[in-house]
Amino acid sequence: NAGVTQTPKFRILKIGQSMTLQCTQDMNHNYMYWYRQDPGMGLKLIYYSVGAGITDKGEVPNGYNVSRSTTEDFPLRLELAAPSQTSVYFCASSSGALAYGYTFGSGTRLTVV
Amino acid sequence: TQLLEQSPQFLSIQEGENLTVYCNSSSVFSSLQWYRQEPGEGPVLLVTVVTGGEVKKLKRLTFQFGDARKDSSLHITAAQPGDTGLYLCAGDPFGNEKLTFGTGTRLTIIP
Repeated sequence: NAGVTQTPKFRILKIGQSMTLQCTQDMNHNYMYWYRQDPGMGLKLIYYSVGAGITDKGEVPNGYNVSRSTTEDFPLRLELAAPSQTSVYFCASSSGALAYGYTFGSGTRLTVV
Repeated sequence: TQLLEQSPQFLSIQEGENLTVYCNSSSVFSSLQWYRQEPGEGPVLLVTVVTGGEVKKLKRLTFQFGDARKDSSLHITAAQPGDTGLYLCAGDPFGNEKLTFGTGTRLTIIP
């Protein structure tokens, strides 16, 4: 049972470059989320989705875009990377029942230089 | 504005000691969750507390939800090196299935 899979695990980008962080889950969860984790700042919600074809902004959406064409996949797109986007990015999914919590991927460590 | 404040931010203690970490807010939560995160991994759910005043035990870990559902605590008895990690509390303050996370407590247990 793979759970939530994120790729790549590490990436270095130059300022102005673009990239897509991949996230896929095999638990048939409707809800999916993207968080970023900065040192000492906890996790901040970037975007979330309640089902295929439906996405919405979280707390810190600027500089990012998402799509949800299938239940399984929720890629995060960074356009025109900036140093402020250096962070660890986590994708998570849930069934929508909070008692069961979120299942997180192992993260993507992104450095923008 | 941080909805969930955790304290202490860092804690380093000897193996075998007891400890308590706190998660506080001015907002009321329908439920709170605790996660543990190890280096290079995503957070993993430890427990969900739902009822004000609720106490849940998970082996040497005891979780309590405040009577007013604004705060929670995690108590570890006889800490072991395997307890080392980042402990995060999280809640859904607006009832819209989106978790807000606290700033975390980084715990180190020294053998």
